[in-house]
Amino acid sequence: KAGVTQTPRYLIKTRGQQVTLSCSPISGHRSVSWYQQTPGQGLQFLFEYFSETQRNKGNFPGRFSGRQFSNSRSEMNVSTLELGDSALYLCASTSALGSTDTQYFGPGTRLTVL
Amino acid sequence: KQEVTQIPAALSVPEGENLVLNCSFTDSAIYNLQWFRQDPGKGLTSLLLIQSSQREQTSGRLNASLDKSSGRSTLYIAASQPGDSATYLCAVRDFGNEKLTFGTGTRLTIIP
Repeated sequence: KAGVTQTPRYLIKTRGQQVTLSCSPISGHRSVSWYQQTPGQGLQFLFEYFSETQRNKGNFPGRFSGRQFSNSRSEMNVSTLELGDSALYLCASTSALGSTDTQYFGPGTRLTVL
Repeated sequence: KQEVTQIPAALSVPEGENLVLNCSFTDSAIYNLQWFRQDPGKGLTSLLLIQSSQREQTSGRLNASLDKSSGRSTLYIAASQPGDSATYLCAVRDFGNEKLTFGTGTRLTIIP
Protein backbone atom coordinates (compact mmCIF):
# COMPACT_ATOMS: atom_id res chain seq x y z
CA LYS A 1 0.00 0.00 0.00
CA ALA A 2 1.45 3.36 -1.02
CA GLY A 3 2.21 5.87 1.71
CA VAL A 4 1.23 9.50 2.00
CA THR A 5 2.51 11.49 -0.96
CA GLN A 6 3.11 15.20 -1.15
CA THR A 7 3.82 17.34 -4.17
CA PRO A 8 5.89 19.21 -4.94
CA ARG A 9 8.76 18.23 -2.69
CA TYR A 10 10.50 21.58 -3.03
CA LEU A 11 9.29 25.06 -3.85
CA ILE A 12 10.96 28.43 -4.09
CA LYS A 13 8.75 31.49 -4.15
CA THR A 14 9.13 35.21 -3.57
CA ARG A 15 7.33 37.38 -1.07
CA GLY A 16 3.81 38.28 -2.06
CA GLN A 17 3.26 35.23 -4.24
CA GLN A 18 0.86 32.45 -3.44
CA VAL A 19 1.47 28.71 -3.34
CA THR A 20 -0.58 25.51 -3.42
CA LEU A 21 0.64 22.27 -1.88
CA SER A 22 -0.93 18.89 -2.46
CA CYS A 23 -1.30 15.81 -0.29
CA SER A 24 -2.60 12.37 -1.26
CA PRO A 25 -3.43 10.24 1.77
CA ILE A 26 -3.02 6.51 2.08
CA SER A 27 -5.70 4.72 0.10
CA GLY A 28 -8.83 4.39 2.24
CA HIS A 29 -7.83 7.11 4.67
CA ARG A 30 -10.35 9.91 4.97
CA SER A 31 -8.77 12.25 7.52
CA VAL A 32 -5.95 14.56 6.48
CA SER A 33 -4.07 16.97 8.73
CA TRP A 34 -1.47 19.59 7.86
CA TYR A 35 1.47 20.77 9.96
CA GLN A 36 4.12 23.44 9.60
CA GLN A 37 7.63 22.74 10.85
CA THR A 38 10.15 25.52 11.43
CA PRO A 39 13.39 25.56 13.44
CA GLY A 40 12.00 28.21 15.79
CA GLN A 41 8.45 26.99 16.39
CA GLY A 42 8.79 23.26 15.81
CA LEU A 43 5.78 21.36 14.50
CA GLN A 44 2.54 23.30 14.60
CA PHE A 45 -0.92 22.14 13.59
CA LEU A 46 -2.49 23.98 10.65
CA PHE A 47 -5.80 22.26 9.99
CA GLU A 48 -7.58 18.93 9.67
CA TYR A 49 -10.09 17.72 7.12
CA PHE A 50 -12.49 14.82 7.11
CA SER A 51 -15.00 14.08 4.36
CA GLU A 52 -14.30 17.40 2.66
CA THR A 53 -15.04 19.36 5.86
CA GLN A 54 -12.54 21.31 7.92
CA ARG A 55 -12.95 20.03 11.44
CA ASN A 56 -10.18 21.81 13.26
CA LYS A 57 -7.93 24.77 12.62
CA GLY A 58 -4.74 25.88 14.28
CA ASN A 59 -3.68 29.38 15.17
CA PHE A 60 -2.57 30.62 11.77
CA PRO A 61 -3.65 33.72 9.82
CA GLY A 62 -6.32 33.56 7.17
CA ARG A 63 -3.64 33.52 4.47
CA PHE A 64 -3.42 29.81 5.17
CA SER A 65 -6.32 27.84 3.79
CA GLY A 66 -7.05 24.34 2.67
CA ARG A 67 -9.58 22.02 1.19
CA GLN A 68 -10.25 18.35 0.73
CA PHE A 69 -11.69 16.67 -2.31
CA SER A 70 -14.14 13.77 -2.55
CA ASN A 71 -11.25 11.34 -3.12
CA SER A 72 -9.72 12.55 0.20
CA ARG A 73 -6.82 14.32 -1.50
CA SER A 74 -6.12 17.64 0.14
CA GLU A 75 -4.54 20.92 -0.85
CA MET A 76 -3.34 23.81 1.22
CA ASN A 77 -2.88 27.31 -0.07
CA VAL A 78 -0.80 30.14 1.30
CA SER A 79 -1.45 33.57 -0.15
CA THR A 80 0.69 36.70 0.05
CA LEU A 81 3.76 34.76 1.11
CA GLU A 82 6.02 36.14 3.83
CA LEU A 83 9.63 35.24 4.62
CA GLY A 84 8.41 33.57 7.82
CA ASP A 85 6.35 31.10 5.82
CA SER A 86 9.55 29.29 4.83
CA ALA A 87 9.12 25.88 6.39
CA LEU A 88 8.64 22.17 5.88
CA TYR A 89 4.93 21.49 5.40
CA LEU A 90 3.85 18.02 6.39
CA CYS A 91 0.57 16.28 5.90
CA ALA A 92 -0.64 13.24 7.74
CA SER A 93 -3.50 10.85 7.16
CA THR A 94 -5.45 8.50 9.34
CA SER A 95 -8.22 6.12 8.52
CA ALA A 96 -11.18 7.70 10.28
CA LEU A 97 -12.32 10.00 13.02
CA GLY A 98 -11.54 8.66 16.44
CA SER A 99 -9.32 6.01 14.95
CA THR A 100 -6.92 4.32 17.34
CA ASP A 101 -4.49 4.04 14.46
CA THR A 102 -1.37 6.11 14.12
CA GLN A 103 -1.18 9.09 11.84
CA TYR A 104 1.04 8.49 8.83
CA PHE A 105 3.12 11.38 7.61
CA GLY A 106 4.25 12.24 4.13
CA PRO A 107 7.82 13.33 3.24
CA GLY A 108 6.84 17.00 3.30
CA THR A 109 7.10 19.98 0.97
CA ARG A 110 10.03 22.29 1.64
CA LEU A 111 8.91 25.86 0.91
CA THR A 112 11.49 28.61 0.66
CA VAL A 113 10.30 32.22 0.43
CA LEU A 114 12.84 34.72 -0.87
CA LYS B 1 -3.94 24.20 26.24
CA GLN B 2 -1.77 21.11 25.90
CA GLU B 3 1.97 21.68 26.09
CA VAL B 4 4.57 19.01 25.41
CA THR B 5 8.18 19.23 26.54
CA GLN B 6 11.14 17.04 25.66
CA ILE B 7 14.36 17.07 27.61
CA PRO B 8 17.18 17.02 26.74
CA ALA B 9 17.16 18.88 23.44
CA ALA B 10 20.25 16.96 22.33
CA LEU B 11 21.97 13.80 23.49
CA SER B 12 25.15 12.04 22.40
CA VAL B 13 25.96 8.51 23.54
CA PRO B 14 28.50 5.86 22.49
CA GLU B 15 27.31 3.00 20.34
CA GLY B 16 25.97 0.04 22.26
CA GLU B 17 24.65 1.97 25.24
CA ASN B 18 21.06 1.95 26.38
CA LEU B 19 19.35 5.32 26.60
CA VAL B 20 16.12 6.99 27.66
CA LEU B 21 14.38 9.96 26.07
CA ASN B 22 11.83 11.92 28.06
CA CYS B 23 8.54 13.55 27.19
CA SER B 24 6.17 15.42 29.50
CA PHE B 25 2.73 16.88 28.83
CA THR B 26 0.52 19.22 30.83
CA ASP B 27 -3.02 17.87 30.26
CA SER B 28 -3.55 14.23 31.18
CA ALA B 29 -6.83 13.95 29.23
CA ILE B 30 -5.13 12.41 26.25
CA TYR B 31 -6.35 9.93 23.67
CA ASN B 32 -2.92 8.57 22.86
CA LEU B 33 0.76 9.42 22.67
CA GLN B 34 3.08 8.68 19.78
CA TRP B 35 6.81 8.65 19.33
CA PHE B 36 8.19 9.60 15.93
CA ARG B 37 11.60 9.66 14.37
CA GLN B 38 12.70 12.33 11.92
CA ASP B 39 15.85 12.18 9.82
CA PRO B 40 17.28 15.49 8.57
CA GLY B 41 15.06 17.08 5.93
CA LYS B 42 12.63 14.16 5.96
CA GLY B 43 9.11 13.47 7.12
CA LEU B 44 8.12 11.69 10.31
CA THR B 45 8.27 7.95 10.84
CA SER B 46 5.97 6.55 13.51
CA LEU B 47 7.83 4.39 16.03
CA LEU B 48 5.33 3.55 18.74
CA LEU B 49 1.76 4.48 19.60
CA ILE B 50 0.46 4.13 23.16
CA GLN B 51 -3.25 4.39 23.81
CA SER B 52 -4.32 6.23 26.97
CA SER B 53 -5.37 2.94 28.58
CA GLN B 54 -1.96 1.33 28.02
CA ARG B 55 1.19 1.61 30.09
CA GLU B 56 3.78 0.60 27.51
CA GLN B 57 4.47 -0.58 23.99
CA THR B 58 7.46 -2.41 22.59
CA SER B 59 8.88 -2.76 19.12
CA GLY B 60 12.23 -4.44 18.71
CA ARG B 61 14.85 -2.47 20.64
CA LEU B 62 12.35 0.27 21.47
CA ASN B 63 10.12 0.45 24.50
CA ALA B 64 7.81 3.35 25.27
CA SER B 65 6.05 3.87 28.57
CA LEU B 66 3.18 6.15 29.52
CA ASP B 67 2.26 7.50 32.94
CA LYS B 68 -0.82 9.59 32.28
CA SER B 69 -1.32 10.69 35.87
CA SER B 70 2.11 12.28 36.05
CA GLY B 71 2.02 13.48 32.43
CA ARG B 72 5.15 11.61 31.39
CA SER B 73 6.35 9.22 28.74
CA THR B 74 9.76 7.70 28.11
CA LEU B 75 11.28 6.08 25.06
CA TYR B 76 13.90 3.49 25.90
CA ILE B 77 16.36 2.46 23.18
CA ALA B 78 18.42 -0.62 23.89
CA ALA B 79 21.86 -1.34 22.44
CA SER B 80 22.02 1.88 20.45
CA GLN B 81 23.40 1.87 16.89
CA PRO B 82 24.70 4.69 14.65
CA GLY B 83 21.56 4.27 12.53
CA ASP B 84 19.51 5.40 15.51
CA SER B 85 20.90 8.91 15.10
CA ALA B 86 17.92 11.17 14.36
CA THR B 87 15.55 13.58 16.03
CA TYR B 88 12.93 11.91 18.19
CA LEU B 89 9.59 13.61 18.68
CA CYS B 90 6.74 12.77 20.97
CA ALA B 91 3.22 13.90 20.17
CA VAL B 92 0.05 13.87 22.19
CA ARG B 93 -3.45 13.56 20.82
CA ASP B 94 -6.16 14.96 23.06
CA PHE B 95 -9.65 13.51 23.41
CA GLY B 96 -12.14 14.61 20.78
CA ASN B 97 -9.39 15.89 18.55
CA GLU B 98 -7.39 14.55 15.64
CA LYS B 99 -4.75 17.22 16.19
CA LEU B 100 -1.32 16.22 17.49
CA THR B 101 0.61 18.48 19.84
CA PHE B 102 4.32 17.91 19.37
CA GLY B 103 7.28 18.35 21.64
CA THR B 104 10.35 20.15 20.34
CA GLY B 105 12.26 16.93 19.97
CA THR B 106 15.51 15.38 21.16
CA ARG B 107 18.35 15.23 18.66
CA LEU B 108 20.13 11.94 19.28
CA THR B 109 23.64 11.21 18.06
CA ILE B 110 25.12 7.74 18.46
CA ILE B 111 28.91 7.85 18.39
CA PRO B 112 30.52 4.84 16.65
